[in-house]
Parts: sequence; structure tokens; C-alpha cells
Amino acid sequence: QLQLQESGPGLVKPSETLSLTCTVSGGSISSSSYYWGWIRQPPGKGLEWIGNIYYSGSTYYNSSLKSRVTISVDTSKNQFSLKLSSVTAADTAVYYCARPTYGDYRLDNWGQGTLVTVSS
Amino acid sequence: SYELTQPLSVSVALGQTARITCGGNKIGSKNVHWYQQQPGQAPVLVIYRDSIRPSGIPERFSGSNSGNTATLTISRAQAGDEADYYCQVWDSSTAGVVFGGGTKLTVL
Repeated sequence: QLQLQESGPGLVKPSETLSLTCTVSGGSISSSSYYWGWIRQPPGKGLEWIGNIYYSGSTYYNSSLKSRVTISVDTSKNQFSLKLSSVTAADTAVYYCARPTYGDYRLDNWGQGTLVTVSS
Repeated sequence: SYELTQPLSVSVALGQTARITCGGNKIGSKNVHWYQQQPGQAPVLVIYRDSIRPSGIPERFSGSNSGNTATLTISRAQAGDEADYYCQVWDSSTAGVVFGGGTKLTVL
């Protein structure tokens, strides 16, 4: 049974960099059948896609966040990570990691989500 | 950029059929996926590629997609179906995942 688990600080100061890691268990992050992705959800609002990464390191980012986002993968640890720079209160959200399927990009497995609050 | 439009809310009587729409330009040419999100929980995939149910999803959930509208249909609605529902596609022109704004389903 594939499981994804987000980890990282729950509080980040404005202008700093948000850093989260997603640990994948029960499956290999090096599978050619899947991407690995990040999605966020501000309190009381809808889902916003942040970006995807393939095990080879190829990345795809939401154009509205592209200048501030970096997603990386560590196949040796079966983990992938998100960095979002220059955060503001508008970046306060529940951040989910998920697994998009190669080809149709459906998100068939999600982590439980982690709330990140941007505040001084 | 590609946009998906969902009604903010849909209400359905217990045991009746609910239909949640997702509008987009020529959405019928894309694969549409649907997610259910219960309060405080992560989204769960309930329909993929327009009409396919993942393992464990009740047959009461079905989907269709044609022209400019995709539809999620929930038959014999139950109280446990109350949740937010999101449609999603891949926009090849921007190489990005796109979500609809979400629909809150209320079972009366």
C-alpha cells in the first residue's frame, strides 16, 4: 500500500523559504509510471497545483508560482521536496504531496497534508 | 490559461441523484478526473479518465464528458456523500494540472 507523508516546519516567517519533504513508502519513487507532485489549499479555499517532478528530475511548475518554486527528488531516500521562496501570508495553506499518473495526470494517492502558516 | 468552472454548491435530497458539472473549452477532448474531499481530509480520487471508478469507489459514482461539460453523477445520494468535489484536467498547452473551483454537495 503506497503511502505519502509530508514533513516540515508548520510556521514560516514572511520573506523566508518554505521547505517541505514528502516521504514515499510502499513503492519506488523511481517508477517510470508516475510523477510526484505538490498541491496546496488555503484555508476555506480550493485546490491549487504547485508542480510535478519525474524521477529523472524533469519538472513542471504552475506558471503563477514558477519564479518562487523548486521541486527536487532524492531517489536514494525515496523522497521529493518543495521549496517556496519569499513567502507571504497568501502562502498559508495545507500543503499536500501526491502521485500523478504518467499519461493522464490523475492524482491517485495523496498525503494527509500539512498546514503551513506564514506569520512573524 | 485553461479554466474549469464548477457551481459553488449543489443540493440533493437523500436517495436522489446529484449531478455536478465542470465546464471548460472543449473539455470533451481532455481526460477529466474527479475528487471527493471530506472536511479536514485529503482529496480522494472517485472518477478518472471521465468515467472510470477506482477500486473501492461505489458504483453510485459515475462520470461523463462531452463538448464543453463534464459531469459527475452520484446516484442514491447518502449523507456520507456530503463533501467538496473537484474536477481536474491536464492542460497540455501550459503543461500544468488544472483544478476546478470545487462544488460543495449538500444532502438534504
